[in-house]
Amino acid sequence: EDQVTQSPEALRLQEGESSSLNCSYTVSGLRGLFWYRQDPGKGPEFLFTLYSAGEEKEKERLKATLTKKESFLHITAPKPEDSATYLCAGSQGGSEKLVFGKGTKLTVNP
Amino acid sequence: DARVTQTPRHKVTEMGQEVTMRCQPILGHNTVFWYRQTMMQGLELLAYFRNRAPLDDSGMPKDRFSAEMPDATLATLKIQPSEPRDSAVYFCASGFTQPQHFGDGTRLSIL
Repeated sequence: EDQVTQSPEALRLQEGESSSLNCSYTVSGLRGLFWYRQDPGKGPEFLFTLYSAGEEKEKERLKATLTKKESFLHITAPKPEDSATYLCAGSQGGSEKLVFGKGTKLTVNP
Repeated sequence: DARVTQTPRHKVTEMGQEVTMRCQPILGHNTVFWYRQTMMQGLELLAYFRNRAPLDDSGMPKDRFSAEMPDATLATLKIQPSEPRDSAVYFCASGFTQPQHFGDGTRLSIL
């Protein structure tokens, strides 16, 4: 069964304290690995898609990387506005269906 | 920016009542997805459509849930009869290939 597991469940950082979120997956024939950000009361907002091991993508203070078994979302010098739940999802080859992890709730304190 | 629009944003009703949730996908997107989000299970796919045709509804309780796309600008998810365990946030997403773009959901409470 396809599975996506995120860790930690929750993470508290001080402003400026860099860290990484982990997403491990067992999705047969992974077609793409997706990162979303979700704010309270809102729907997930698309951040990145990664397609092959070794690929990296960046957006402001966020950088996503992909290996054959996991993906990392690195947050450099975070600010309070980066506080959100970050969701990881995998899609299987030949399908548009996404399997989501349960997310990491990030809190950045000023 | 184009957005997926969901209505209503909140719905509180009593057990046994029919519930209808609506979604307007982003213009030009050919796939529409319905998800349910709970604290315990996270985001779960209920059903999805491509070019208005249902492709997969294996995540949906068939006896009480139904999903349709009457036209390209409207997708509906119905629950009849509703039960307290259906309380959750229901999201619609649309896309053209990938990625999927989400609406802000319907928060459903069944008393």
